[in-house]
Amino acid sequence: QVLLQESGPGLVKPSETLSLTCTVSGDSINWSSYHWGWIRQPPGKGLDWIGSVYYSGSTYYNPSLKSRDTISVDTSKRQFSLKLSSVTAADTAVYYCVREFPARGVFDFWSQGTLVTVSS
Amino acid sequence: EIVLTQSPATLSLSPGERATLSCRASQSVNNYLVWYQQKPGQAPRLLIYDASNRATGIPARFSGSGSGTDFTLTISSLEPEDFAVYYCQQRSSWPPITFGQGTRLEIK
Repeated sequence: QVLLQESGPGLVKPSETLSLTCTVSGDSINWSSYHWGWIRQPPGKGLDWIGSVYYSGSTYYNPSLKSRDTISVDTSKRQFSLKLSSVTAADTAVYYCVREFPARGVFDFWSQGTLVTVSS
Repeated sequence: EIVLTQSPATLSLSPGERATLSCRASQSVNNYLVWYQQKPGQAPRLLIYDASNRATGIPARFSGSGSGTDFTLTISSLEPEDFAVYYCQQRSSWPPITFGQGTRLEIK
């Protein structure tokens, strides 16, 4: 069983940077075989893909975020991270970290999700 | 960006009935269409990938079909635990990966 757990502040002020980290665990996890990503869901709304990072370090982002986001991976810690700069109230959402398997763009394991609220 | 339109927005059925959910893409996604189920307060769960492949542990009553622009998720006989929101998602042309707006399956 793969477990993904995100961590980070639940409240961020407007114009500041949202930072989340996802820690992956699981007895048989072979970190280097997988790709990882972030998806968010505004309260009461649908799902939005934020971006993905591959074990090689290659990244892909949703153009709608206008380059405000950065995703990185730390293989030694089995963690990957999201930074979203210049946040506004529109960035308030439940943020999920996900594993992509068995193919790119197929999200088979999800974290429980963490609500991040942007408010002063 | 590929837009996915799901219909109906809400589907009201009874346990034991057959559910048919639709997802239409604004351009061809070949067979790169994925379905998820989301229950209140939970993360989405992968059901079907590449139009018709059931994910690990998904019951056989869930099936997917379609190609190109029109796709269907069918639940052959609804169980009480199947009432949830269902999302389709395309992985054909990205970035960005895009999702449909969801279909709410509710108990009649």
